[in-house]
Amino acid sequence: DAGVIQSPRHEVTEMGQEVTLRCKPISGHNSLFWYRQTMMRGLELLIYFNNNVPIDDSGMPEDRFSAKMPNASFSTLKIQPSEPRDSAVYFCASTWRDRRETQYFGPGTRLLVL
Amino acid sequence: SQKIEQNSEALNIQEGKTATLTCNYTNYSPAYLQWYRQDPGRGPVFLLLIRENEKEKRKERLKVTFDTTLKQSLFHITASQPADSATYLCALDGYGGSQGNLIFGKGTKLSVKP
Repeated sequence: DAGVIQSPRHEVTEMGQEVTLRCKPISGHNSLFWYRQTMMRGLELLIYFNNNVPIDDSGMPEDRFSAKMPNASFSTLKIQPSEPRDSAVYFCASTWRDRRETQYFGPGTRLLVL
Repeated sequence: SQKIEQNSEALNIQEGKTATLTCNYTNYSPAYLQWYRQDPGRGPVFLLLIRENEKEKRKERLKVTFDTTLKQSLFHITASQPADSATYLCALDGYGGSQGNLIFGKGTKLSVKP
């Protein structure tokens, strides 16, 4: 079992550039979550999908952030334009739609915006 | 809004001793609580889930208690080993207020010295 796959693992970009993070959930899972982790704020939920449909995006910091899930096996989180304060580790997690099941996290993408 | 606190940023103990980590929450009545382990450069990994009607749950050397009156969970690792060194996160089911999302504490970094 490959687990949740995220790419890239590391991203360094300059302020103002567009950044796209990618996630492949575990096959069969129908809920997908995007989190951001920083030392100051810990692990914060940005958005989650059920059956490819965005359910709650209240954690998305601002309009510069957008997320899509075109099919059950792929999701993207895009930041445009990026800012230095977006520097963080971004995690994708997946699980079954019954959210009382545990979440399975990917290895994360470490983003540095200069 | 819901608030979750892990009262120690770091905990240092000697190998063989029992590590006890604390998770407190306010303004909330979660349906369940989870503990995750996170190693450097990796995503969180699920360890244990305890429901509101359960007082204690065990898994090998791990034990979790859940006191809904005190609004507190304790996480114990008995006979600790250096390999137990990691950051441990507690997470609450946001069902009561956040539509079923997980809300994470900032974590406690455990170091077990040989």
